[in-house]
Amino acid sequence: EAQVTQNPRYLITVTGKKLTVTCSQNMNHEYMSWYRQDPGLGLRQIYYSMNVEVTDKGDVPEGYKVSRKEKRNFPLILESPSPNQTSLYFCASSLSPGTGFRNLLALNTEAFFGQGTRLTVV
Amino acid sequence: KQEVTQIPAALSVPEGENLVLNCSFTDSAIYNLQWFRQDPGKGLTSLLLIQSSQREQTSGRLNASLDKSSGRSTLYIAASQPGDSATYLCAVRRITGFQKLVFGTGTRLLVSP
Repeated sequence: EAQVTQNPRYLITVTGKKLTVTCSQNMNHEYMSWYRQDPGLGLRQIYYSMNVEVTDKGDVPEGYKVSRKEKRNFPLILESPSPNQTSLYFCASSLSPGTGFRNLLALNTEAFFGQGTRLTVV
Repeated sequence: KQEVTQIPAALSVPEGENLVLNCSFTDSAIYNLQWFRQDPGKGLTSLLLIQSSQREQTSGRLNASLDKSSGRSTLYIAASQPGDSATYLCAVRRITGFQKLVFGTGTRLLVSP
């Protein structure tokens, strides 16, 4: 079954204690992203990766790190969590639209999301 | 900058009604548009994806249309059921900056028996 798997689903931690949220996809997708969802602010992109060893900042990257050492995994790292990082986090993956001929194929870049990680930082 | 708006913000209907959810976007240079469903505190489930070259997509009781020139998409739900109660989100993938989905504000739907 095609899926994006995040762990843990729920996490309560204290300010300053480093944590990692894992994300894994089994669809051989190039693109992976992290989003956070907050009431009144909707979903905002934190970081994204276009392929192995290629990552870049999204709209709200402060306080987060990512790595993409393997195509299937894209962990989100909070080096020193703070209460304003309390949120619902989602990992997503999709094919890359590509460029040139590949782009003309109008590849199906349907995004698949994980089940979410609810993080509380106290 | 792409902005995506969904109207109404909340909708309450009796079971069996047909209903329409609206999504509007400011920049018509999109690669595709995707509709999602989100149950409270849970993940996003993809419902339909419409490529920019398509006018509509159908899946079961759901039909999504896309009018790129006017910057609008609608999600039509036929014969609504209590199990359809959820928040519905639309998201666009822009041609420039296609690594990011820009999400709408969502429509919270409640279907009562």
